[in-house]
This record gives sequence, C-alpha cells and structure tokens, in this order.
Amino acid sequence: KAGVTQTPRYLIKTRGQQVTLSCSPISGHRSVSWYQQTPGQGLQFLFEYFSETQRNKGNFPGRFSGRQFSNSRSEMNVSTLELGDSALYLCASSHRPGQGATEAFFGQGTRLTVV
Amino acid sequence: AQSVTQLDSHVSVSEGTPVLLRCNYSSSYSPSLFWYVQHPNKGLQLLLKYTSAATLVKGINGFEAEFKKSETSFHLTKPSAHMSDAAEYFCVVSAPLGSYKLIFGSGTRLLVRP
Repeated sequence: KAGVTQTPRYLIKTRGQQVTLSCSPISGHRSVSWYQQTPGQGLQFLFEYFSETQRNKGNFPGRFSGRQFSNSRSEMNVSTLELGDSALYLCASSHRPGQGATEAFFGQGTRLTVV
Repeated sequence: AQSVTQLDSHVSVSEGTPVLLRCNYSSSYSPSLFWYVQHPNKGLQLLLKYTSAATLVKGINGFEAEFKKSETSFHLTKPSAHMSDAAEYFCVVSAPLGSYKLIFGSGTRLLVRP
C-alpha cells in the first residue's frame, strides 16, 4: 500500500513569488491535513480538508490556501512568498476523521526555501 | 483548549540503557494522544497511540507509553536504547471530535551514545 506522496520534495523560490505543493493521500483516506514545520515555531497546523471541504484552519494569513479534489488529492498554495515561509511542509492523511484516535500518516514533506 | 508540553528539549542516553521522554498534556475532554518520531530529513512516523482502551500502550520498535490521568502525563519509554533510535520525538494530542487537527509538542531530540 503506497504511503502519502508529496511533490516536489524540494523547492527554491524568490520572495514575492507563489508556490503550489501537492499531496496524494493513502488510497481510501479522505482527510488531508497540512502542517508547517520550522525550527522556531515547531509543527503548526495549517488546514484540514475532508471530501473537498475545508473543515478546520490554523492561524495563518490568507496567503496560505488549499484545496482538495474529488480523488482526495490536495494542494496548498502560498502567494506572495516571504522569507519566513521557508519551512518543511508536511501533509498527513487519515481514514476516519472526527471519530477519535484515528492516526494520521505523514508524507516526507516538501522543503521550501524562499530567497 | 488542548496543549502538550514536552519537558525536555534534548535527552542523551548510552546505547543499551533505558529511554524516558516526558510529556504532559492539557485537555478539556478525554484526549487522544500519540507519539511520533522524525528521523533527519524524513516525515513523521507514528510510534503509538492512546485511545482510552488501555493505559499502557505498546508501540513499534519496543517503545511504550503510559497514560496517567491523575498526572496528565503520557511519557514514552524504551527499556534499551539502540543507535537507530536517535531522532526527534513528538508528543501529540488531537483536537475534539468533528475536526482532525493534531497539536504537537515542541519535540525532544534523543541522542544515543555508543
């Protein structure tokens, strides 16, 4: 069974540009969540999608957005990139959201560097 | 609100000695708790989860954790450290039912000395 696939693995962008990251969840999983990991702030929740609907959103500016497609694949977009957006972006998929103690399976992440 | 505090940012042990990584949680309801491990340049791997079925939870690679409600703790232990255990460990609590949001502790970096 394939795991969570994130593409690309590495990205270098310039300030002011925008970027789109992709996540393919485990087959059969309908919930996809995104997290940002930085040395200073640790792991922070960005948003969660289930059945193409955003169900929860973290405390990030509107430059961060996402969407989920009918096949459960998800993308996140960051517009007007800032140096502080440099981070490891992790995607997680789960099978039964909202039903307690359903573990999330993580991809290897996309390392975004903004220069 | 839910929160997690990992009491040690770094823990150093010798190979073959016990490992203890400490975690305290705060939750206004009966929590779901997890431990994840992250090796360098890798994603997060689930070690174990607490689901209220049993207070002592066994995970992969010989790790286990005990849920203690009275102490609001969920410490991770392993009887004998292996070099391959060197990594960063995260204690995690889940948000209430209805949304799937994980709240991470700040992480504990485990160093294993030969």
